[in-house]
Amino acid sequence: DAGVIQSPRHEVTEMGQEVTLRCKPISGHDYLFWYRQTMMRGLELLIYFNNNVPIDDSGMPEDRFSAKMPNASFSTLKIQPSEPRDSAVYFCASSPHSPTNEKLFFGSGTQLSVL
Amino acid sequence: KQEVTQIPAALSVPEGENLVLNCSFTDSAIYNLQWFRQDPGKGLTSLLLIQSSQREQTSGRLNASLDKSSGRSTLYIAASQPGDSATYLCAVETSGSRLTFGEGTQLTVNP
Repeated sequence: DAGVIQSPRHEVTEMGQEVTLRCKPISGHDYLFWYRQTMMRGLELLIYFNNNVPIDDSGMPEDRFSAKMPNASFSTLKIQPSEPRDSAVYFCASSPHSPTNEKLFFGSGTQLSVL
Repeated sequence: KQEVTQIPAALSVPEGENLVLNCSFTDSAIYNLQWFRQDPGKGLTSLLLIQSSQREQTSGRLNASLDKSSGRSTLYIAASQPGDSATYLCAVETSGSRLTFGEGTQLTVNP
């Protein structure tokens, strides 16, 4: 299996622009997570899905952030409009079943820079 | 609110040395604890997962222990190698499939 695939690897954009991050989880995994990593705050959970349904979006910082999972093999995280403080590495992760019993598999991340 | 602390923040050792990384958490009501490895510019790789009912897990040269009552976990790396150089993070699941991560320990193993 190719693992969790994220695109793009790097994104540089200007403040106010829309940014869309993409993720393909490992086939057969029921859970998908979006995390954000910064030097100041470390790794933070933004939102997670179970069987394509959003379960907990309490970590989404503002209404500017939205996430969708239209099918089991694809998810997007959108920021509109983007701001410089959104600059971070965004990770997608998946697990076969509930992470309570399973390891979490991470993608390589998207490095976002908002100028 | 669960808080996870890792000590030390950075560690540099000569090759071949055995070492211990520490993780502590404030809320002992956890489902599990995972140790991850992160290489520069890469995602996280799960190394070991310890269920709340378990005391330790082993994989090769790695051994992780869990003392839930005291809110502590250790990751023991035997006979360290330069390829072990990375940042090691611990994370606990407290509820609802939500992991809380520590800040990590940056390990450098010198040849």
